[in-house]
Amino acid sequence: DAGVTQSPTHLIKTRGQQVTLRCSPKSGHDTVSWYQQALGQGPQFIFQYYEEEERQRGNFPDRFSGHQFPNYSSELNVNALLLGDSALYLCASSLELGLGYTFGSGTRLTVV
Amino acid sequence: GENVEQHPSTLSVQEGDSAVIKCTYSDSASNYFPWYKQELGKRPQLIIDIRSNVGEKKDQRIAVTLNKTAKHFSLHITETQPEDSAVYFCAASIRTGNQFYFGTGTSLTVIP
Repeated sequence: DAGVTQSPTHLIKTRGQQVTLRCSPKSGHDTVSWYQQALGQGPQFIFQYYEEEERQRGNFPDRFSGHQFPNYSSELNVNALLLGDSALYLCASSLELGLGYTFGSGTRLTVV
Repeated sequence: GENVEQHPSTLSVQEGDSAVIKCTYSDSASNYFPWYKQELGKRPQLIIDIRSNVGEKKDQRIAVTLNKTAKHFSLHITETQPEDSAVYFCAASIRTGNQFYFGTGTSLTVIP
């Protein structure tokens, strides 16, 4: 039973570029949440998708957008990258009203 | 919104001793409190969680206590082992499927 799968594992982008990160949830999970984890910090909530719609959003600018597909997989898009967007991006899946999250291993994004 | 504070930021203990990590939260509506362990370069993994209708929960060497009145909860690790060395994060949520507010993490080192 595969857990949460994220791709790519590492990515280097230039300021101003756009990036798309991908997440496949754990089998049977229908809800996907995205978190940004800066070095030495706790994860910060970006947004959550359920039934292909953004259900909750954290305090992140509109440059951060996402999508959920009918198979529950999800994408995180970041436009106009800033140096401060460099972080580990974690995807977590869960069941609606289920117990806790299962995290993926993350995508390490470096903006230069 | 919710604010979760975590202390200490670093903790060193001798193998076999106990370790205690404390967190406080601000939103009295929070009712689900998970703890995650994150080893270097790996995904956060849920180690124990507690709901607000329970004051204490134990799983082998790990226990969590919750004081709703004071809005604080703590992680207790007994008989620590070198493999317990990692960063530990507490989190709070209004319900299990909602966004998590994470603490800033505690880097635990168990000295053999």
